[in-house]
Amino acid sequence: DAKTTQPPSMDCAEGRAANLPCNHSTISGNEYVYWYRQIHSQGPQYIIHGLKNNETNEMASLIITEDRKSSTLILPHATLRDTAVYYCIVRIYTGTASKLTFGTGTRLQVTL
Amino acid sequence: EAGVTQFPSHSVIEKGQTVTLRCDPISGHDNLYWYRRVMGKEIKFLLHFVKESKQDESGMPNNRFLAERTGGTYSTLKVQPAELEDSGVYFCASSLGYSPLHFGNGTRLTVT
Repeated sequence: DAKTTQPPSMDCAEGRAANLPCNHSTISGNEYVYWYRQIHSQGPQYIIHGLKNNETNEMASLIITEDRKSSTLILPHATLRDTAVYYCIVRIYTGTASKLTFGTGTRLQVTL
Repeated sequence: EAGVTQFPSHSVIEKGQTVTLRCDPISGHDNLYWYRRVMGKEIKFLLHFVKESKQDESGMPNNRFLAERTGGTYSTLKVQPAELEDSGVYFCASSLGYSPLHFGNGTRLTVT
């Protein structure tokens, strides 16, 4: 699976947009970009995923560059409850083997 | 719908004892995954079931770990005999086909 690179930590003021970057320069054509987050001691929570088009759901937006070598997760109005570790993961679908490979993620701290 | 449930939420055992962790996936999900995070490390893949078959067990650390998924519903992960380095949080996840993985809140295992 392609490797991803994320900044280890970021801060964001409550109510502002949080923009979390991710580099995946070795991504291949059939790999999807997934974002998960882990809040404190809970299990990882799915946020959003995409292949090459930008995606939006009720939680966030995902912007993927045209060359697909990087992406940005956008939390439009961050709240204190968004404080978590955010993981950018590339996922390949090879037959029935489609596991996720977690990295170290970005620790997002939302402050008042 | 009910999410992925794991039991127990915490387990404390002595070195050399046996522990069995259980995971109930979301109803109807054919894929079931086990992951773990040991202290200070990244979340690591252990294995992947498709229905009752082991699709990928490349992440299983050694033969003290045995996972089963009889009938393709719930799964168990047995550690026998447990060692100190097995301490960590064990996560289970499930998905339907190539849909996003949904994780449980994990079992925190402490081996003393």
